[in-house]
Amino acid sequence: DAKTTQPNSMESNEEEPVHLPCNHSTISGTDYIHWYRQLPSQGPEYVIHGLTSNVNNRMASLAIAEDRKSSTLILHRATLRDAAVYYCILRDVRVSGGYNKLIFGAGTRLAVHP
Amino acid sequence: EAQVTQNPRYLITVTGKKLTVTCSQNMNHEYMSWYRQDPGLGLRQIYYSMNVEVTDKGDVPEGYKVSRKEKRNFPLILESPSPNQTSLYFCASSPRDYNSPLHFGNGTRLTVT
Repeated sequence: DAKTTQPNSMESNEEEPVHLPCNHSTISGTDYIHWYRQLPSQGPEYVIHGLTSNVNNRMASLAIAEDRKSSTLILHRATLRDAAVYYCILRDVRVSGGYNKLIFGAGTRLAVHP
Repeated sequence: EAQVTQNPRYLITVTGKKLTVTCSQNMNHEYMSWYRQDPGLGLRQIYYSMNVEVTDKGDVPEGYKVSRKEKRNFPLILESPSPNQTSLYFCASSPRDYNSPLHFGNGTRLTVT
């Protein structure tokens, strides 16, 4: 199963951009890159996902390396509410059994300072 | 409101006493999954289900059972709980289209003494 590697923690100041990296050197051609975040005392929530091209939504942007072996979640202006644990995971699109083992890992704990 | 509902939110039990944690979703999702979260280890997948009557093991299935008799429900069963199963548990669901995000419940904190 393809795995991801993220830094344990990062810090940012409020209203500054944040770039959260993720390495997935064993990614396969059928893996989507998903990002989730977990606020204190809550379940994880979806942030963004992509396959090959960079993606933007109202929460964040996802920049995917050309070889797809790494990606970066970009929060354009961090707020105090963005303090959370961010998870980068790979989700295989193949339907057959055994390809839905989603490996979350420990994630990156983002601290945002006022 | 579209949601994944887990019950109970908190549970304290003793070693060996069978328990069930329920998970229900109202979004007609085919895929459902259970995770446990422990400090420093992130989320680890226990079991998942692709559809009714179809279940498969995740990374840490030992000591757990699941069933998927109805599309909306995916209960997690601990036949003989042990203290090492003390953890925070999350249920998640999504459409079968893997281009869609997972929806998570708010968690069940289980303590086994």
